[in-house]
Amino acid sequence: DQQVKQNSPSLSVQEGRISILNCDYTNSMFDYFLWYKKYPAEGPTFLISISSIKDKNEDGRFTVFLNKSAKHLSLHIVPSQPGDSAVYFCAVSTSGTYKYIFGTGTRLKVLA
Amino acid sequence: ETGVTQTPRHLVMGMTNKKSLKCEQHLGHNAMYWYKQSAKKPLELMFVYSLEERVENNSVPSRFSPECPNSSHLFLHLHTLQPEDSALYLCASSQGNRGGEKLFFGSGTQLSVL
Repeated sequence: DQQVKQNSPSLSVQEGRISILNCDYTNSMFDYFLWYKKYPAEGPTFLISISSIKDKNEDGRFTVFLNKSAKHLSLHIVPSQPGDSAVYFCAVSTSGTYKYIFGTGTRLKVLA
Repeated sequence: ETGVTQTPRHLVMGMTNKKSLKCEQHLGHNAMYWYKQSAKKPLELMFVYSLEERVENNSVPSRFSPECPNSSHLFLHLHTLQPEDSALYLCASSQGNRGGEKLFFGSGTQLSVL
């Protein structure tokens, strides 16, 4: 049973508009949430993270929102650029463990 | 360049072969990981080593055998694999386990088992 779900396998957005990627998790014990980006033929690279004591974290064009009651997090990219086209994975972890559980990914395509 | 190097990038092997995947990290991290990524599935954690001691072992078949000789190197020894083991094998490292530690991934080894 998947503990982390990314229900949209793909998303297309026009350049300059907002991209919103979503992720749902099942276990309230998770207290750190991360987003990774993956280009073809490369490993995933870290993008942004948030701990459970916050509900928002911003880094340049990237903002992650956490809704603990809904067990939902989202990644907003504003403005979207063609170079953002990649597969985005959300991951969850619990402090004190080495377990990171990943979602299946969402393929984002930003159209020029 | 993430500081985590995996070799080989591609590997084709028969079911009776024995091969090894190698991972090296140049980041001074003390934890190293093996993940498996199959098509349309999430990344699956296979093994974690912290300071050369195995701390996670996720019910992985014994045909996969990890080895961590020091905190910078990690191997995955493969023998008598099955075609369903064909996947992208990713190595990663992190500084610790406080939570929210960034994982730094290598580029992976694309494995095909014939």
